[in-house]
Amino acid sequence: GAGVSQSPRYKVAKRGQDVALRCDPISGHVSLFWYQQALGQGPEFLTYFQNEAQLDKSGLPSDRFFAERPEGSVSTLKIQRTQQEDSAVYLCASSSLPDTQYFGPGTRLTVL
Amino acid sequence: SQQGEEDPQALSIQEGENATMNCSYKTSINNLQWYRQNSGRGLVHLILIRSNEREKHSGRLRVTLDTSKKSSSLLITASRAADTASYFCATGLNNAGNMLTFGGGTRLMVKP
Repeated sequence: GAGVSQSPRYKVAKRGQDVALRCDPISGHVSLFWYQQALGQGPEFLTYFQNEAQLDKSGLPSDRFFAERPEGSVSTLKIQRTQQEDSAVYLCASSSLPDTQYFGPGTRLTVL
Repeated sequence: SQQGEEDPQALSIQEGENATMNCSYKTSINNLQWYRQNSGRGLVHLILIRSNEREKHSGRLRVTLDTSKKSSSLLITASRAADTASYFCATGLNNAGNMLTFGGGTRLMVKP
């Protein structure tokens, strides 16, 4: 069975551009998480969905970050007016249980 | 902010030796998980230990948890060059969704 997939794998954006990062969770997984991982650091929580409901967005660093999961499956993380400090790897994870999360390969975003 | 801290930050050993990594955390947890991350890749779940467990084994991995000291250790026995990676501990809190809070990671290098 397929794991969590993310696209694109790499994204280069000019400062000020908007970007959209996609996550395809494992089929049937109710929970979906987004994390941000800066170079040399551990991942940091951004937001969490249960089906289509965004239950926790406390980790989103600013109102330029927006996430959605309209049909309870695929999720998109959108970053508006990107800044250099947004450069990081964005990881998506899904889970069918309240424990083990399965991570995708991540999208490496570089803002020039 | 990151809940956990791994120790050491970097570890270099010879193939066949054992590797021990430690993790400390700050708040009460529901479970603690260890993940491996190869360079440029996503996170791979290794093992989960619940707050009411003290030790768990999986193949060459042994995890201990001491909730009184708010610490955990990961032991990799008979290490192989393929074990070279970054290892992260992550804590799941007593809240809905079980978002994970990661430490900064230990970078392990196993020399052949």
